[in-house]
Amino acid sequence: EVVMTQSPDTLSVSPGERATLSCRASETVSRNLAWYQKRPGQAPRLLIYGASTRATGIPARFSGSGSGTDFTLTISSLQSEDFAVYYCQQYNNWPPITFGQGTRLEIK
Amino acid sequence: QVQLQESGPRLVNPSETLSLTCLVSGDSISSTSHYWDWIRQSPGKGLEWIGNIYYSGTTRYNPSLRSRLTISIDTSKDQFSLRLTSVTAADTALYFCARRGTFTNGWYEHWGPGTLVTVSS
Repeated sequence: EVVMTQSPDTLSVSPGERATLSCRASETVSRNLAWYQKRPGQAPRLLIYGASTRATGIPARFSGSGSGTDFTLTISSLQSEDFAVYYCQQYNNWPPITFGQGTRLEIK
Repeated sequence: QVQLQESGPRLVNPSETLSLTCLVSGDSISSTSHYWDWIRQSPGKGLEWIGNIYYSGTTRYNPSLRSRLTISIDTSKDQFSLRLTSVTAADTALYFCARRGTFTNGWYEHWGPGTLVTVSS
């Protein structure tokens, strides 16, 4: 099983500032990695797939990078609606599909 | 516009069977380009992949749940189902169905809104 580890668990950032979230895989997943935004009681929202491709309708302030085992989600100029939990997911080696434990992005 | 909608009992007794169905609209569940997955989120926890099914009926399960899990598909009704036996409080979760691409397109673009299932007597 590919273990996905996200850091930090919680990130406190002020609105308008940049947030950088990390995701590390226990073995290479190539670029087969996605990022999601999750709010309580709602379905996850796809942000990034293929490590760096923004999904349809996702603002340009969201960007993804990385390959192999180390990945980053960057949110430039945070808006109020961006404060949520973010998950990475690998789809390179399955079953099982695996997710990171999540990073909670909170208002500083 | 692809839409998925979960349905099923919201309360299940311990040791009994949890059954959910996902109705798909705006796409054919017989698509050769997609898998149909179940994912859950226990209270205060992260996302856990449960398993999936292909239109042909081929299934893949999370090893941690395999002994209790059955996923089935009804292409005539554009729906797929989850059956989890011998449930405990640890199976209390928000259950999602979702569509995922095949091969290197394995991200989840379309999700159901989720249904909260509580295991309690």
